[in-house]
Amino acid sequence: GENVEQHPSTLSVQEGDSAVIKCTYSDSASNYFPWYKQELGKRPQLIIDIRSNVGEKKDQRIAVTLNKTAKHFSLHITETQPEDSAVYFCAALTSGTYKYIFGTGTRLKVLA
Amino acid sequence: DGGITQSPKYLFRKEGQNVTLSCEQNLNHDAMYWYRQDPGQGLRLIYYSQIVNDFQKGDIAEGYSVSREKKESFPLTVTSAQKNPTAFYLCASSSTGTGGSEQYFGPGTRLTVT
Repeated sequence: GENVEQHPSTLSVQEGDSAVIKCTYSDSASNYFPWYKQELGKRPQLIIDIRSNVGEKKDQRIAVTLNKTAKHFSLHITETQPEDSAVYFCAALTSGTYKYIFGTGTRLKVLA
Repeated sequence: DGGITQSPKYLFRKEGQNVTLSCEQNLNHDAMYWYRQDPGQGLRLIYYSQIVNDFQKGDIAEGYSVSREKKESFPLTVTSAQKNPTAFYLCASSSTGTGGSEQYFGPGTRLTVT
């Protein structure tokens, strides 16, 4: 069945450094790839997304890249700040369905 | 709060009792979802509905039931058949336009069964 693998499961970086989280999806028909941030006890919230017709998208300190051939997509956070500390989830949506497949999450800690 | 609400925020039940979690959205979204999240874990799909009066099982549907009688509402019943029901339950909704779209999540219901 469909699967999304996410790595690493935990990531610690010093404030100001960059963080990269990687996801691999199995269904080549996937065409939409959102990233969610979830703070402790809160709901997940979308931070950035990318569609299959685009290779890269950037929003201030956050960027997402997509490699359709390798079925990889990655989240890049530059100049990390303590408030970036949270759990980040990637997901993939297959064209023609409404079922989002989530990765297992990455706990990011930004050390001041 | 994104137009999707869940109630109650905390729910306590005794083992053997059925319990229904509420989810309402005013975003005019066709699709609605229920996820379960255990401590330190990811999101596991219980049920989802693409349109009124239709729904599909997700990956962990056993012990749960849903209904979709109205576009705005997608209640989840946790039955006594669910072996380990204590968890954080998240409801979400999205539009069904082509190309995919953001899921909006509710604030969640934390269910404790003793």
